[in-house]
Amino acid sequence: QVQLHQWGAGLLKPSETLSLTCAVYGESFSGFYWSWIRQPPGKGLEWIGEFNHRGSAKYNPSLKSRVSTSVDTSKRQISLQLSSVTAADTAIYYCVRDLRGPFDYWGQGTLVTVSS
Amino acid sequence: SSELTQDPAVSVALGQTVRITCQGDSLRNFYASWYQQKPGQAPVLVLYGENNRPSEIPDRFSGSSSGNTASLIITGAQAVDEADYHCNSRDRAGNQVVFGGGTKLTVL
Repeated sequence: QVQLHQWGAGLLKPSETLSLTCAVYGESFSGFYWSWIRQPPGKGLEWIGEFNHRGSAKYNPSLKSRVSTSVDTSKRQISLQLSSVTAADTAIYYCVRDLRGPFDYWGQGTLVTVSS
Repeated sequence: SSELTQDPAVSVALGQTVRITCQGDSLRNFYASWYQQKPGQAPVLVLYGENNRPSEIPDRFSGSSSGNTASLIITGAQAVDEADYHCNSRDRAGNQVVFGGGTKLTVL
């Protein structure tokens, strides 16, 4: 069984940088891709990007210029940074295990609110 | 904008069969995956690949695909199946992940 536990600041001001971390418990870590997905309140899911521990990464073109991701294999953690946030970035953010098709394990979600 | 299209809402009578669809050109080349999301909870994978279910998902959930349309079929819908259902796949080039807008299923 795999569990993903995520954390990070829940309230940001416009122009600040969003930073979230996700710890992975259970099965092998290094052999998988990981993604971040977000969901604005009352709306659908939006893929942010996918990456692995070898540095292979792809990002949503609409966010690519502001997104940075990282993997710490020693801690079994993945991270997301999103710079220059605006109110449009207000959403629940999920870390997920990415099978390059389905997303089979999801973190509990972190609500990030951007407000002045 | 999403490259996958879902009906915003679908309803089904208790115990009946319902089909939730997901349309997009990329589905001609890539399988859809389906997620169930209940209020206040993270999505849960219910179907993926040709017609595969995680072990904990009941067998009343199945899938089909034809052309540019993938379908999630619930045979004998239960009250606990009332939820939002999201589909996802890759884009036509296979480089990006795309989601449908989600379908709210009501069980009457």
